[in-house]
Amino acid sequence: DTGVSQDPRHKITKRGQNVTFRCDPISEHNRLYWYRQTLGQGPEFLTYFQNEAQLEKSRLLSDRFSAERPKGSFSTLEIQRTEQGDSAMYLCASSPRTGTSNTGELFFGEGSRLTVL
Amino acid sequence: KQEVTQIPAALSVPEGENLVLNCSFTDSAIYNLQWFRQDPGKGLTSLLLIQSSQREQTSGRLNASLDKSSGRSTLYIAASQPGDSATYLCAVIQGGSEKLVFGKGTKLTVNP
Repeated sequence: DTGVSQDPRHKITKRGQNVTFRCDPISEHNRLYWYRQTLGQGPEFLTYFQNEAQLEKSRLLSDRFSAERPKGSFSTLEIQRTEQGDSAMYLCASSPRTGTSNTGELFFGEGSRLTVL
Repeated sequence: KQEVTQIPAALSVPEGENLVLNCSFTDSAIYNLQWFRQDPGKGLTSLLLIQSSQREQTSGRLNASLDKSSGRSTLYIAASQPGDSATYLCAVIQGGSEKLVFGKGTKLTVNP
């Protein structure tokens, strides 16, 4: 078990370009979450998947953002037509939460830092 | 709407001191509370998780308590070390929700 893996760790792009981040959760974790963190703030929820189904999306996730989790394994978060306000750390987490007996503990990756120039 | 507040925002202590970090939340109907550590530019490392039915959890020099009725949790760090320097984040999951709601964190500096 290598933990939650995110790629790339750092991305610098020009305004208007598209970027895609990938997250590989801990194997057998059926829940996967995306959060966004800006400097000096706590992470904010973006969306989550149970297996391949995207069950909830935050209002923070504008139409320029799309997330997928094909086959219920890895997930991608794409940002189209990036804006300077998209600059942030994008964090992925996974959880084995199933049923009522699970603790609901989330395990985070190292994050993908996006800088939009 | 659940809001999580952490006090103080920053704390600087000499090595060896015992310290307490505070977390408060506005809605007591939580599923669990989790404490995380974050080093600069890094992701979050889970430290302790307390279920809503529990009062405290311990791991090594760390002890977290939960008073759900008053909407408070504390993280106690014994015999602090320079390696403990990091930002500590508190987060709750609301009952019936899947979202972790985070505080802004407490930035801890332990001076040798």
